[in-house]
Amino acid sequence: GEDVEQSLFLSVREGDSSVINCTYTDSSSTYLYWYKQEPGAGLQLLTYIFSNMDMKQDQRLTVLLNKKDKHLSLRIADTQTGDSAIYFCAESSNTGKLIFGQGTTLQVKP
Amino acid sequence: GAVVSQHPSRVICKSGTSVKIECRSLDFQATTMFWYRQFPKQSLMLMATSNEGSKATYEQGVEKDKFLINHASLTLSTLTVTSAHPEDSSFYICSAREDRPYEQYFGPGTRLTVT
Repeated sequence: GEDVEQSLFLSVREGDSSVINCTYTDSSSTYLYWYKQEPGAGLQLLTYIFSNMDMKQDQRLTVLLNKKDKHLSLRIADTQTGDSAIYFCAESSNTGKLIFGQGTTLQVKP
Repeated sequence: GAVVSQHPSRVICKSGTSVKIECRSLDFQATTMFWYRQFPKQSLMLMATSNEGSKATYEQGVEKDKFLINHASLTLSTLTVTSAHPEDSSFYICSAREDRPYEQYFGPGTRLTVT
């Protein structure tokens, strides 16, 4: 069945780059997403990438997609303490149903 | 960006009572809304998909008689937890989507505690 895997924890220093990785199993996924969740809050859509793209850049965020290996990554440049949160990778098919990974807790140390 | 609201943000109820949670898309019409449940330090689990004017589609293992979903209009969906039990305590999050399938926006969540 569909499955999305992420590492659970990443710690970086303020100003460094963060790279959060994700693997998925459904090769028919049409869109892949990155969401951010702060404590006690809902999910904020950070960015998404269509499955026929390799890369998407949006200000400090860079998404890389390796469709052959079913690997997705999110790079945050110049990581700030305000970036500390849980980051969820998700895949979807045309129905819009999202399958989420377990979430990666990003800790940014000053 | 699109805004989705949920009400209430927190609710405490006694076992056996019913609780209704509202999800509203504030600045767009949502043809589809989704309801998720999230346990502490865990990922989101999709409970059901609701389309305006039709019955909700529930995921396997989700009791449709316990979690009643009504998508009455293009801007409002409600989730009613009936005969609540302590194990229903959780964080419930809704999301809403326009016709464009790649943009799905989430509400801030509702923390339900059943005593």
